[in-house]
Amino acid sequence: KAGVTQTPRYLIKTRGQQVTLSCSPISGHRSVSWYQQTPGQGLQFLFEYFSETQRNKGNFPGRFSGRQFSNSRSEMNVSTLELGDSALYLCASSLSRAGQETQYFGPGTRLLVL
Amino acid sequence: TQLLEQSPQFLSIQEGENLTVYCNSSSVFSSLQWYRQEPGEGPVLLVTVVTGGEVKKLKRLTFQFGDARKDSSLHITAAQPGDTGLYLCAGVFAGQNFVFGPGTRLSVLP
Repeated sequence: KAGVTQTPRYLIKTRGQQVTLSCSPISGHRSVSWYQQTPGQGLQFLFEYFSETQRNKGNFPGRFSGRQFSNSRSEMNVSTLELGDSALYLCASSLSRAGQETQYFGPGTRLLVL
Repeated sequence: TQLLEQSPQFLSIQEGENLTVYCNSSSVFSSLQWYRQEPGEGPVLLVTVVTGGEVKKLKRLTFQFGDARKDSSLHITAAQPGDTGLYLCAGVFAGQNFVFGPGTRLSVLP
């Protein structure tokens, strides 16, 4: 089975722009979770999608949003980028609910905001 | 807000030495996972522990879950340079999503 794939792997944006990141889960997995990883804050949960519905959300501003398609692929959008949004964005897929099943992580998208 | 603490934050040892890293919380975990992350990659799951007092072994790695399910440890025997990486623990509290600790960054020198 192919693993979790994320595109693009690297991205450079400027403040005020918006960005869309994509995640393709492992085939058959219905849950996709997104995380932000920074040196200062570590790995922080953004949100989880299951069957096209957002099931849980972390403590991030409304500029961070996401969605999931019927094929379980997920996208994450960040609007009005700030310098502090520079981070590694990771997605993880699992068969069902993320808290009850093993999560498999993708390699991440490294976003740099200038 | 449930917090996970990991110690030490950084660890640099020589090849062949033994080491233990810790993961602690003031709350009870439903389950706990350990991951290793290498530069430029996502975390890779090493083990999941669910039962208080549980001990699991993965080659030279031994994972222990505390009896009260509030803490866990990872012991590596005869560390090798290939063990270098960021070790993360992640806990699930009352069926919610994972909360990750800040990690222990391990460097094993040849």
